[in-house]
Amino acid sequence: AQKITQTQPGMFVQEKEAVTLDCTYDTSDQSYGLFWYKQPSSGEMIFLIYQGSYDEQNATEGRYSLNFQKARKSANLVISASQLGDSAMYFCAMREGSGANSKLTFGKGITLSVRP
Amino acid sequence: DAGVIQSPRHEVTEMGQEVTLRCKPISGHDYLFWYRQTMMRGLELLIYFNNNVPIDDSGMPEDRFSAKMPNASFSTLKIQPSEPRDSAVYFCASSFNLEQFFGPGTRLTVL
Repeated sequence: AQKITQTQPGMFVQEKEAVTLDCTYDTSDQSYGLFWYKQPSSGEMIFLIYQGSYDEQNATEGRYSLNFQKARKSANLVISASQLGDSAMYFCAMREGSGANSKLTFGKGITLSVRP
Repeated sequence: DAGVIQSPRHEVTEMGQEVTLRCKPISGHDYLFWYRQTMMRGLELLIYFNNNVPIDDSGMPEDRFSAKMPNASFSTLKIQPSEPRDSAVYFCASSFNLEQFFGPGTRLTVL
């Protein structure tokens, strides 16, 4: 089974509107972390936001927030007030366990296009 | 801080040639990761190091791939001999705690 699932086809959003990018995960660990990265057309991977499995509150970073629903094993990224520069691929990733095991497993990604 | 540095940024080579990709992690980071990104397979972890020691190389495709980290500030990923199916973008990333910082990637094309 895939550990990280991103099934949405290419997403489109109107500039200044909010958009939600879906991510579900699969793990039997109690301690894990969830990440979102942005990859613009230039190719670099940019860290956006992190949510720990024991964090009680949803993570927020500026216009980015993570809608963490532990029972449903979902970690959706919400981008508020979309900007043209938000057009990119977005990857959800998970780190299982803690300590020395720090490798990330990435989903296939979602393409977001922001329309003016 | 210069961030993670990778070289070369682009590499075009012919099948059968040896290819060496280089990475300089962020100073003070104790984890280093090598990823490969392709359209078909997405972003895959190849190998990662902790304090210069390889921890998990289960993602290395085959014996043609090897990675070393002789010191805390340098790592190489070598492919010998290279094949067209190795064409991909190879990312190096480093971390100290939770967040992994990615380099700009090396786009490898094997003809």
